[in-house]
Amino acid sequence: AQSVTQLGSHVSVSEGALVLLRCNYSSSVPPYLFWYVQYPNQGLQLLLKYTSAATLVKGINGFEAEFKKSETSFHLTKPSAHMSDAAEYFCAVIVSNTGKLIFGQGTTLQVKP
Amino acid sequence: GAVVSQHPSWVICKSGTSVKIECRSLDFQATTMFWYRQFPKQSLMLMATSNEGSKATYEQGVEKDKFLINHASLTLSTLTVTSAHPEDSSFYICSAREVGEYVVNSPLHFGNGTRLTVT
Repeated sequence: AQSVTQLGSHVSVSEGALVLLRCNYSSSVPPYLFWYVQYPNQGLQLLLKYTSAATLVKGINGFEAEFKKSETSFHLTKPSAHMSDAAEYFCAVIVSNTGKLIFGQGTTLQVKP
Repeated sequence: GAVVSQHPSWVICKSGTSVKIECRSLDFQATTMFWYRQFPKQSLMLMATSNEGSKATYEQGVEKDKFLINHASLTLSTLTVTSAHPEDSSFYICSAREVGEYVVNSPLHFGNGTRLTVT
């Protein structure tokens, strides 16, 4: 079964510092991976998606993620954190034979001034 | 862009009553809608898959008689929490996939969620 695991339930960075949120996947077939962001009491907003076209994926708000098959990873990065980036981030994978979107445990990003 | 509207955004009800949550795709048609439940500080757990014109498919452990899902049109799916109890208090989020989108690589469009509190 396909799944994703997010390492670190809570990440704290200073404003202007690099953001790195980790996601590893498990899949016997080429996975389709996504990163979503959730602000308090709101739904989810798509940051970016990997669909095998390119291993380095650029998303909105300056985020990007790199698909590394050798490491089964799809980590999310942003060169310089902004206070407005503080939110919950979810890595997700589509289960290929059902179309269901399955989420990782989530990582809370805290940005300190 | 594709917009999913969820209503109400929050609701408080008494134990034993039923609550209906609506999920509408405003500018696209959705063959499939998904319902998720999210407890505080936790991830989204898929409850069921709703397909227009057919019965919903529930995930293991989700009571179908408790959480009634109806997907009567290509733009509307509803989740009814029947005989609600305090343990049903949670954040419920719907999502939709546009008709014709290639399933395996199409993202879901999410509603803003409904905060249900059962007293």
